[in-house]
Amino acid sequence: DTGVSQDPRHKITKRGQNVTFRCDPISEHNRLYWYRQTLGQGPEFLTYFQNEAQLEKSRLLSDRFSAERPKGSFSTLEIQRTEQGDSAMYLCASSFGLAGVDEQYFGPGTRLTVT
Amino acid sequence: RKEVEQDPGPFNVPEGATVAFNCTYSNSASQSFFWYRQDCRKEPKLLMSVYSSGNEDGRFTAQLNRASQYISLLIRDSKLSDSATYLCVVNRAHQAGTALIFGKGTTLSVSS
Repeated sequence: DTGVSQDPRHKITKRGQNVTFRCDPISEHNRLYWYRQTLGQGPEFLTYFQNEAQLEKSRLLSDRFSAERPKGSFSTLEIQRTEQGDSAMYLCASSFGLAGVDEQYFGPGTRLTVT
Repeated sequence: RKEVEQDPGPFNVPEGATVAFNCTYSNSASQSFFWYRQDCRKEPKLLMSVYSSGNEDGRFTAQLNRASQYISLLIRDSKLSDSATYLCVVNRAHQAGTALIFGKGTTLSVSS
């Protein structure tokens, strides 16, 4: 399967714990995005990398959230001191980064439940 | 005003019907437009990009009206398998490669 992959697919954690998610983009894609989706809403942008550089962060990305893409391939998203409001589906997407049209392809997501 | 607005539906149609979804966006500088399809508890899947001249892919036709900041999706000859949520998506500002802004989605249910 050459699509975007994410791990784990599901995570249940207790409030206050730290969690880390991984995303492996489509291999030739240089852009990688993180989104969050809650029930009944469309995905909301969190952050974006071009190669290893983090170029944009949403106001939604509080200080408890950090993302990395150290070698310009896979990325990790860490949430520290989780809160119940962090419960959501965390989606990763990647794109080839063509000028003009940037079609993004999504992974299956990591569903986080904070108890 | 929300950046991307869609009628949430649900749209309940019989097989074979033609159904149209509309979407408006607020940022006149947006340059990339898409329709994504999302099945229940699955990730969004790119259905089609939307070009200024309009484009068609089989039973699906997308139109863009930049002056009115309006995007549409027409589905002809609906199939049961078309049942899903359809997300209208635009990019922010004028740069490709930056955030996609999603509408809340329009739910379609096709029945036999």
